[in-house]
Amino acid sequence: QSALTQPASVSGSPGQSITISCTGTSSDVGGYNSVSWYQQHPGKAPRLMIYDVNIRPSGVSNHFSASKSGNTASLTISGLQAEDEADYYCCSYSASSAYLFGTGTKVTVL
Amino acid sequence: EVQLVESGGGLVQPGGSLRLSCAASGFTFRSFWMSWVRQAPGKGLEWVAKIKNDGSDKYYVDSVKGRFTISRDNAENSVYLQMNSLTAEDTAIYYCVKYGGTYFDYWGQGALVTVSS
Repeated sequence: QSALTQPASVSGSPGQSITISCTGTSSDVGGYNSVSWYQQHPGKAPRLMIYDVNIRPSGVSNHFSASKSGNTASLTISGLQAEDEADYYCCSYSASSAYLFGTGTKVTVL
Repeated sequence: EVQLVESGGGLVQPGGSLRLSCAASGFTFRSFWMSWVRQAPGKGLEWVAKIKNDGSDKYYVDSVKGRFTISRDNAENSVYLQMNSLTAEDTAIYYCVKYGGTYFDYWGQGALVTVSS
């Protein structure tokens, strides 16, 4: 049960768009439409941002969007804002009723 | 408003045991699976365990199987994590999380567990 692979860091200027990738295998990301994304500010609990690949929960800004192709899922933040600076984690259902989180990506707003 | 409040964290020696509790409110607790997710200091998130709404099914990450036990009391709106044979690798913040079916929709603030001599 290895963690899903994410880039360690991604940065962008305010107003720009950035994309975070999340790579797994056919036994997790590629095998199920159960990918979710979480935002975590320092010292805080994670917050659900996207579930079931591309669905935003109520209260999440529409400048967050997501998709999946094969074994790779992606989170896009459009119109980057200062408050988007945080750590982001993907998560996927996996075989044996387990869940795998990604390695995490630190987003920096320049 | 959904609230999840963990308790029971602390310092424990290697090989020791600890029981975490999570008090839930703001939703129909008996209708939902619950889970525990942990985060080692400065590290990423790791799913630990989940339990069915009626307590009849339980699943664990391989690294805690045989050592950790998740349980719940629907009358008390609480979920628990009994942790035995603790090692330094179990040092982490443990989050109580409401399971939304395929995702984790509400998180507690976490309980810090430190395993050290």
